[in-house]
Amino acid sequence: DQQVKQNSPSLSVQEGRISILNCDYTNSMFDYFLWYKKYPAEGPTFLISISSIKDKNEDGRFTVFLNKSAKHLSLHIVPSQPGDSAVYFCAAGYALNFGKGTSLLVTP
Amino acid sequence: DVKVTQSSRYLVKRTGEKVFLECVQDMDHENMFWYRQDPGLGLRLIYFSYDVKMKEKGDIPEGYSVSREKKERFSLILESASTNQTSMYLCASSSYRGPQGYGYTFGSGTRLTVV
Repeated sequence: DQQVKQNSPSLSVQEGRISILNCDYTNSMFDYFLWYKKYPAEGPTFLISISSIKDKNEDGRFTVFLNKSAKHLSLHIVPSQPGDSAVYFCAAGYALNFGKGTSLLVTP
Repeated sequence: DVKVTQSSRYLVKRTGEKVFLECVQDMDHENMFWYRQDPGLGLRLIYFSYDVKMKEKGDIPEGYSVSREKKERFSLILESASTNQTSMYLCASSSYRGPQGYGYTFGSGTRLTVV
């Protein structure tokens, strides 16, 4: 059974606006969460992470929010740029349980 | 720059062939992983290893085996390739970074087609 879920397979956002990608998890033992970005025919590249002892981590245009009580995390990208168009994966746990990914399209 | 290198970007093999996918990392990482990525299914863990000669099954180990004789190399073996093993295969390595948790690095992937 999938422990990390990304329920939105795709998202389209205009350039300059905020992109919000969501992720839910079921295993309360997860203590570390990561977001990866993936282009076709390439391996995933690390974007940002958050420890379960925090509720927010920010790195430039990227912010991850963690709500442990809801077992939910979200990635905010502000402002969105066309180069952000990719598939975004949420992952958790030592052996990286991945969600199925959300394909983000940022339109000019 | 740290690297995870997968020996082939593209492979085409015949049904029933024994297939070896090789992965090498130069970061002295303890942990190595093999995933496959399929449309609509995301990345699924096949096998991982936390030390030389140690291996653990992931979520979908059936039809696969692995070998880790040296710390830097983790091989995925398809004993008898089948068409449902056509996929993108991704290798990753990680090590513990203390309060920052684990740092993971992925290879560029191997697109395997079984015909």
